[in-house]
Amino acid sequence: GAGVSQSPRYKVAKRGQDVALRCDPISGHVSLFWYQQALGQGPEFLTYFQNEAQLDKSGLPSDRFFAERPEGSVSTLKIQRTQQEDSAVYLCASSRSETGGFYEQYFGPGTRLTVT
Amino acid sequence: DAKTTQPPSMDCAEGRAANLPCNHSTISGNEYVYWYRQIHSQGPQYIIHGLKNNETNEMASLIITEDRKSSTLILPHATLRDTAVYYCIVRPSQGAQKLVFGQGTRLTINP
Repeated sequence: GAGVSQSPRYKVAKRGQDVALRCDPISGHVSLFWYQQALGQGPEFLTYFQNEAQLDKSGLPSDRFFAERPEGSVSTLKIQRTQQEDSAVYLCASSRSETGGFYEQYFGPGTRLTVT
Repeated sequence: DAKTTQPPSMDCAEGRAANLPCNHSTISGNEYVYWYRQIHSQGPQYIIHGLKNNETNEMASLIITEDRKSSTLILPHATLRDTAVYYCIVRPSQGAQKLVFGQGTRLTINP
């Protein structure tokens, strides 16, 4: 079946521009996660949704970062006034889990954002 | 979340068993050990997880020491496609859903 898809795969933005990154989770998956992966580092958690509710946004690095999932399926990560330090791969993952228990997280291929 | 320690890199010959160690000396009783891997230019992929018993699936085996302070991921017959960064993660069975990745081990399978 279809996995997690992300678009665009690559994005080049000039410093100060706003960007929007899209994530299409696996159909029926309740939980959705965003991670940021800098070059040579492991992914770092940004935010978590359960259906349309954003339950954890503790990893968002600044108020320039905003995520939404209005209908509990597709999610968008928006970065306002991009800075060079925002350059990274942004990964989206989804899982069946609602609360507790274990359901593996399925990751998309990521969006590579380069801020020039 | 408990922290994990992994060697930064390892090499293994194709066809041999790859044994990847992980130390998690501060693991709590309700925390599981998970392994994910990330092949170049792809998102991480779940491999296996366990609490205290050894586990095996079609991809790998997970050996957890009796005191649960360390574990080893075993790829029994490594292929070139197993070249990736392997992440060992500890995480509660309940509560926080996020994965906390460390630096991982870059495993290179050599022909």
